[in-house]
Amino acid sequence: GAVVSQHPSWVICKSGTSVKIECRSLDFQATTMFWYRQFPKQSLMLMATSNEGSKATYEQGVEKDKFLINHASLTLSTLTVTSAHPEDSSFYICSARIDSGRAGDTQYFGPGTRLLVL
Amino acid sequence: QKEVEQDPGPLSVPEGAIVSLNCTYSNSAFQYFMWYRQYSRKGPELLMYTYSSGNKEDGRFTAQVDKSSKYISLFIRDSQPSDSATYLCAMSQSRGNMLTFGGGTRLMVKP
Repeated sequence: GAVVSQHPSWVICKSGTSVKIECRSLDFQATTMFWYRQFPKQSLMLMATSNEGSKATYEQGVEKDKFLINHASLTLSTLTVTSAHPEDSSFYICSARIDSGRAGDTQYFGPGTRLLVL
Repeated sequence: QKEVEQDPGPLSVPEGAIVSLNCTYSNSAFQYFMWYRQYSRKGPELLMYTYSSGNKEDGRFTAQVDKSSKYISLFIRDSQPSDSATYLCAMSQSRGNMLTFGGGTRLMVKP
């Protein structure tokens, strides 16, 4: 149980284009999902918290107009990198939180999406 | 100073060794403590989850939390080459909410 998938696993795009990354909780419902980015040999940095049915909460320094987040259902959140530039090249990872109400709930991570902007 | 400090390594050990991985933190409000394992180019995989102080054991893995010292540890017994990965500690103030990660320790277990 607690499987989170991401699609695509990797993407190469030209500068100026937009890229959409999907995050799905496959066997549970998640009212809250999180989006992280990770640069090589660095830890995960939280970008935003995605809440089903409401606007995402962005961390300081993250441009909400550049990184559009949509949490349209209890099993799907999408991150759209708009007008991507080479500096947006990174490893993007989502996580989903199980809402069972029991102690021990935590975040389960997707396999990540590697984005390369040329 | 970062909220969560973790030695980046790399830590190189022979197969079968006991591995000790540690994190220190500064925020006394952290209540939930996790260890994740991340293989190269993969998402983090949850290994251990601990609430408050104490020990928790799962197979070859033991997690310890000492809130009085703001110090957490992960022990791996009988380490295997397949344990070679980056280990991330993470913690949060409330259940399931925003995680603060350490920088990760890269572990290499040599056959």
